[in-house]
Amino acid sequence: GAVVSQHPSWVICKSGTSVKIECRSLDFQATTMFWYRQFPKQSLMLMATSNEGSKATYEQGVEKDKFLINHASLTLSTLTVTSAHPEDSSFYICSAPTGGLEGGYTFGSGTRLTVV
Amino acid sequence: QKEVEQDPGPLSVPEGAIVSLNCTYSNSAFQYFMWYRQYSRKGPELLMYTYSSGNKEDGRFTAQVDKSSKYISLFIRDSQPSDSATYLCAMSGGFKTIFGAGTRLFVKA
Repeated sequence: GAVVSQHPSWVICKSGTSVKIECRSLDFQATTMFWYRQFPKQSLMLMATSNEGSKATYEQGVEKDKFLINHASLTLSTLTVTSAHPEDSSFYICSAPTGGLEGGYTFGSGTRLTVV
Repeated sequence: QKEVEQDPGPLSVPEGAIVSLNCTYSNSAFQYFMWYRQYSRKGPELLMYTYSSGNKEDGRFTAQVDKSSKYISLFIRDSQPSDSATYLCAMSGGFKTIFGAGTRLFVKA
């Protein structure tokens, strides 16, 4: 089945630095990818929708200058957390639609970000 | 009112029990209904995907959708310790997908 590979699985960084998270679709093309954030014991919160070849669409309240998204190819989308702060510590997950846009999604394995 | 309501649990059952997980929703535009399983520190994986009302069975899992009541369920038969995870319902419609908060399930050996 469809696989989305997400790296790194965990990262620890210092406040003020930037961290890049990559998601690759394996064996299929993903013109759209979704980026989520998940706090402990809470649901997935959609941050932004990444579109290949065009600007990402951000959800209300998500700072586009802080969470930079690039979707330069049909198989790769990246999320860069810029000038990270401890409150950015969270579990970040990407997903790509694999059952039609209104259907199922394949998720990456997630990235645990800890900002110290 | 949240668009999707899901009891976060935790739900603890003995091995072999039948588990019932549920979600309610308020948006009648939702047409596609999904259940995901998420193990600790992992991304969610799709378990079941249904469209419209009715039942869908896959091995020990049965997904049930009642659009008239805006209520969906996931049943797990003969539950196993390996089923211990968080189960998230998700609903799509109008190019929007909303996830429930997830129910934490513990199956005790």
